[in-house]
Amino acid sequence: QVQLQESGPGLVKPSETLSLTCTVSGGSISSYYWSWIRQPAGKGLEWIGRIYTSGSTNYNPSLKSRVTMSVDTSKNQFSLKLSSVTAADTAVYYCARVRSYYDILTGYYTGWFDPWGQGTLVTVSS
Amino acid sequence: QSVLTQPPSVSAAPGQKVTISCSGSSSNIGNNYVSWYQQLPGTAPKLLIYENNKRPSGIPDRFSGSKSGTSATLGITGLQTGDEADYYCGTWDSSLSWVFGGGTKLTVL
Repeated sequence: QVQLQESGPGLVKPSETLSLTCTVSGGSISSYYWSWIRQPAGKGLEWIGRIYTSGSTNYNPSLKSRVTMSVDTSKNQFSLKLSSVTAADTAVYYCARVRSYYDILTGYYTGWFDPWGQGTLVTVSS
Repeated sequence: QSVLTQPPSVSAAPGQKVTISCSGSSSNIGNNYVSWYQQLPGTAPKLLIYENNKRPSGIPDRFSGSKSGTSATLGITGLQTGDEADYYCGTWDSSLSWVFGGGTKLTVL
């Protein structure tokens, strides 16, 4: 089955850019949305954004000015860049596959995250 | 402050039933489907319920979901100590931004 694995530096200095990559194995990255979600220690989940394999993106409005997502279908990977980080960006970062579509019968959007990567802790500190 | 409101904690005895509520508005739950996630201590979240009430393969029928208006509910019957976890609801908001509830910690007494 599809598995996801996050990778990247565990320590980033304040004001610098956090960069993470999610590698998808056991299936193709194509024709799906993929998301990044983070969780500060002891707190809840925060959605960062999603990217389709065409490169189309949606970002959390509260992070939009600092977030860039990209996808490399040849490597079955997608990536996150978060600029101008502060201590508030310290968190476990998860990548996940998104199932999402518009239900024309109800007019509702559906969506769910499955599977998830194991997560990677990123600490922002000098 | 999360867009979706969940109780911080719930508890019940083994074998009992518990429900976890998720309250939103017409800009999110009221006009979109809800999914639920279980996060066992020290692990990544796992999909529990999608499209309000559907269970992925491998999720026991002790777990159920429902939605009414701008609120959703997760139900767990036959509670087991292994169900102790944090539970999160989530859905799309009107701006196509995903929102999660603040999470509910389930304690099985």
